[in-house]
Amino acid sequence: EAQVTQNPRYLITVTGKKLTVTCSQNMNHEYMSWYRQDPGLGLRQIYYSMNVEVTDKGDVPEGYKVSRKEKRNFPLILESPSPNQTSLYFCASSDGTGGFAPLHFGNGTRLTVT
Amino acid sequence: GQQLNQSPQSMFIQEGEDVSMNCTSSSIFNTWLWYKQDPGEGPVLLIALYKAGELTSNGRLTAQFGITRKDSFLNISASIPSDVGIYFCAGPATGGYQKVTFGTGTKLQVIP
Repeated sequence: EAQVTQNPRYLITVTGKKLTVTCSQNMNHEYMSWYRQDPGLGLRQIYYSMNVEVTDKGDVPEGYKVSRKEKRNFPLILESPSPNQTSLYFCASSDGTGGFAPLHFGNGTRLTVT
Repeated sequence: GQQLNQSPQSMFIQEGEDVSMNCTSSSIFNTWLWYKQDPGEGPVLLIALYKAGELTSNGRLTAQFGITRKDSFLNISASIPSDVGIYFCAGPATGGYQKVTFGTGTKLQVIP
């Protein structure tokens, strides 16, 4: 089954403790991206990747890192999480370019930073 | 960063009623994508629009690409309880087509 898999689904952590949210897709998509969803703000793009070793900032990249060493994986790294990064995070992939092509989303990771 | 404005922000409707929502931008868009997010899940694509004036249907859903290219509309006819969710519009960000801009979302509640 074609899918985007994120782990974990729920994560509670403390300020400053490094964490990684994993994302994997099995559709051989070149484009992958991360979003955060906050009430009243919709989805905002954090980072995106056009292909292996090619990543770039979205609209809200501060406090986040990403890497794309393999085509299927696109982990999101929070080196020093802060409470304002408490949010619902989504990973997505597509077989086209950014905003033109339909995105396939994972089921989300709900992060709470205390 | 740029955001798309969606209205209404939320709506309660009776089962069987028709629903209209829209998405507006201060700049021209070349593509409009409409997604639906069911509670507890990731968004799923409903309809994609690629041409100004285009009208596309998917079952009870109909979406239109505004002539000005600064807006798009989504209509749902004869709503049912499973239409509950958040509806998002999205498109390529101004100045960087690799980036994606999403709307603020319209939350739909259907009263059986």
